[in-house]
Amino acid sequence: LAKTTQPISMDSYEGQEVNITCSHNNIATNDYITWYQQFPSQGPRFIIQGYKTKVTNEVASLFIPADRKSSTLSLPRVSLSDTAVYYCLVGPRGANNLFFGTGTRLTVIP
Amino acid sequence: AAGVIQSPRHLIKEKRETATLKCYPIPRHDTVYWYQQGPGQDPQFLISFYEKMQSDKGSIPDRFSAQQFSDYHSELNMSSLELGDSALYFCASTIMGGVADTQYFGPGTRLTVL
Repeated sequence: LAKTTQPISMDSYEGQEVNITCSHNNIATNDYITWYQQFPSQGPRFIIQGYKTKVTNEVASLFIPADRKSSTLSLPRVSLSDTAVYYCLVGPRGANNLFFGTGTRLTVIP
Repeated sequence: AAGVIQSPRHLIKEKRETATLKCYPIPRHDTVYWYQQGPGQDPQFLISFYEKMQSDKGSIPDRFSAQQFSDYHSELNMSSLELGDSALYFCASTIMGGVADTQYFGPGTRLTVL
């Protein structure tokens, strides 16, 4: 599984757009990029998954450049309830388990 | 919508005791995963089951064992508990080969070993 690198922490004010970038230089051809969100004492929750270019859902957007060596999770107009740890995971679909690296602790400030 | 159910939600045990954690996956999900998350740590994969067979094994101690039953629920059995086993234990389920390959996590069982 490809190793991922994310910032350890980020702060943002309410209403701002937040972009969290994940580096995965060793991504394989059949790897997908998936982001999970975890609130304290709760299980991680799937946010978005993509393979290339851009993916958007009701929660976030995921931007993946052509070389796929990085990806950026974009959260539009964050609120206090978006304070959580965000994990970037890279691996093939159908992988039997998820390897959580060190996620990004996002703190939204009023 | 139905979610993953875990029981108990909280469990307190003494050192060297045993514990059994239960996981009930989302209906029609055929795959179950167990993760351990220590205080201030990231979730670590322990073991997974697909169609009642062990499909992968992670950093699960030999003192732990698990199985998936015919109704797809799973149990994680932990023996000779140590202080370091105190953690949140998450179960996740999915449909193997499903859209987006998403794992749905339960609320977790908080195990405290005294």
